[in-house]
This record gives sequence, structure tokens and C-alpha cells, in this order.
Amino acid sequence: EPEVTQTPSHQVTQMGQEVILRCVPISNHLYFYWYRQILGQKVEFLVSFYNNEISEKSEIFDDQFSVERPDGSNFTLKIRSTKLEDSAMYFCASSAVMNTEAFFGQGTRLTVV
Amino acid sequence: RKEVEQDPGPFNVPEGATVAFNCTYSNSASQSFFWYRQDCRKEPKLLMSVYSSGNEDGRFTAQLNRASQYISLLIRDSKLSDSATYLCVVNMPSGAGSYQLTFGKGTKLSVIP
Repeated sequence: EPEVTQTPSHQVTQMGQEVILRCVPISNHLYFYWYRQILGQKVEFLVSFYNNEISEKSEIFDDQFSVERPDGSNFTLKIRSTKLEDSAMYFCASSAVMNTEAFFGQGTRLTVV
Repeated sequence: RKEVEQDPGPFNVPEGATVAFNCTYSNSASQSFFWYRQDCRKEPKLLMSVYSSGNEDGRFTAQLNRASQYISLLIRDSKLSDSATYLCVVNMPSGAGSYQLTFGKGTKLSVIP
């Protein structure tokens, strides 16, 4: 069964450092998303991406965040200068049609120290 | 205001019991509706989409009441493996003609032997 894969599964970084979280969406999906979930809280939307550009972003997705599809398979989330409050689980998701059933990767647990 | 509300639980039920979860959403222009399940520290996994006519998948039945802005999930003959957090997810208008998957905080279910 096709699935979304994310790497790394866990990343520890020092405050102020840049991190890149990587995702390989399901191959025939056209819509890609990043969400985050702070421990004990709900899943929050960060950004959606289609046709090589951002289609929507939330207020969380400020100038410190960027996304990229560098090749035909990868979809990355970069946090330029991490803060303690960026510590969370980051989920990548993809869907065949915009905002329909989205399938999630297993997540990257980001810990900023 | 984007909002999906769920009773956080926990619901502690014996094996074999029937349990029902409810969810309300704030925006009447919401388009599509889903139930996901999330195991501890794992990714959300799509359980089922929810249609106005109601739909059933094995032991799971989902209902949508658009007039009341209310979604339900019924689980019959609960199994130990049903223990998880159940997330109500609504495709809600986010402004400028776009939509966004909005998550509830989830309802925790524990099925007890």
C-alpha cells in the first residue's frame, strides 16, 4: 500500500539552528501539506502546496518557515532559526484532490534545546 | 472562526460495548468531513469519510447532520485494538475561497478487557 514517508523520525537541534524535515508523498498525489502537533495538543495546519507553490498557509507559518519540492519526489519543510516553541511532531500529508482524504506520514519529532 | 469541538473523554468501555462520539463544527460552509484515529505518538490515520447519507464500514458508522453542524461516530462491539484517540476533521473555509483541514482535539477511547 502506498504511503507517505518522512525522515528523520527524530531530530534534536539547538535553538537558532536551521532544520530541514523531509517527506516523500504518495507518488500520484498532487497536494502536499505540513501539519504540526505540540505534545498533548491538537493537530495544526501549517501549509499546503500544489503545482510547485504554496496554496495556503496558517499564521504559524511565518518567515522562519519555508517549503520546497526540490525534485519529483521530495517535499521539504525548513525552519530557518529554530525556537524552543518549535518543538513538536511535524507531519507531512498528501492527497489526490485538494483537501479530501489526506494520508499522513509517521512524523518527525523535533526537539529544540 | 475555525473550530471543531469534541468531548475529550476519556471514554472507558468494556470489550463488546457500543460507544458513540460526537463532534460539532462552527462553519456551515464546511465541505467534507472525516474521522481519523491516532494512536499515542503516532500519525493520524484515516478511519472513514462522513457523508450526509451516513456511511458504515464494518463495526463503524458515521453520520453527518449539516443542519445541526454535527458529526457522529458509532463503534459497535468494541475491541481492545480500538483503543486510540478519535479525531474529527472538517474541511473548513479559511478565506479567499480556500479550504483547510481543521482538526478537533480528539476523543480518547480506552477499551477494557
